[in-house]
Amino acid sequence: NAGVTQTPKFRILKIGQSMTLQCAQDMNHNYMYWYRQDPGMGLKLIYYSVGAGITDKGEVPNGYNVSRSTTEDFPLRLELAAPSQTSVYFCASSPQGALGNTIYFGEGSWLTVV
Amino acid sequence: AQSVTQLDSHVSVSEGTPVLLRCNYSSSYSPSLFWYVQHPNKGLQLLLKYTSAATLVKGINGFEAEFKKSETSFHLTKPSAHMSDAAEYFCVPPRRDSGAGSYQLTFGKGTKLSVIP
Repeated sequence: NAGVTQTPKFRILKIGQSMTLQCAQDMNHNYMYWYRQDPGMGLKLIYYSVGAGITDKGEVPNGYNVSRSTTEDFPLRLELAAPSQTSVYFCASSPQGALGNTIYFGEGSWLTVV
Repeated sequence: AQSVTQLDSHVSVSEGTPVLLRCNYSSSYSPSLFWYVQHPNKGLQLLLKYTSAATLVKGINGFEAEFKKSETSFHLTKPSAHMSDAAEYFCVPPRRDSGAGSYQLTFGKGTKLSVIP
């Protein structure tokens, strides 16, 4: 029972580099989300998707891009990495929106930008 | 829009004693409320959810919460703390996204629970 799978678990990036965080879910969920969590803080929504081909911005989308070509996958792309993007990134999914529905989280991806 | 206040940033209890994590909500209209738990270096996991069906909600690992309209509270309780309960706990309201019309979860700072042996 895989649930939500994120890769890589840990990554160190240099300033200005780009990378993609991968996220896959095997529960056939329509909704997928990317959050970031800074030390000692709650989670902030970066982007979300309500289905294949549909994405929308969350609270903190600047510096990130997403795509949703399939129901299963929701990669998060960081272009021109900056130290402010050092954070823990969580991918999540839910059958429908957050009203009354459980959101399932991945284990997180720790990203350090130096 | 619904918002919540978790009254304590850190709660420390001894193993075997009751746990009380406090959460107050702002709006009289509350379609749902959630408690999520995050163990160290892990993702978040749903503990329990209120969806208007019943005011007393039972969750996993012996936790429960009661939705009290008169007090605008949704406090999380457990009769006896276990070492494995040490984690960060988030009381979470859904927020309607005006653009897409869908609901998202908004996470504040949470309450860190420490359990002393």
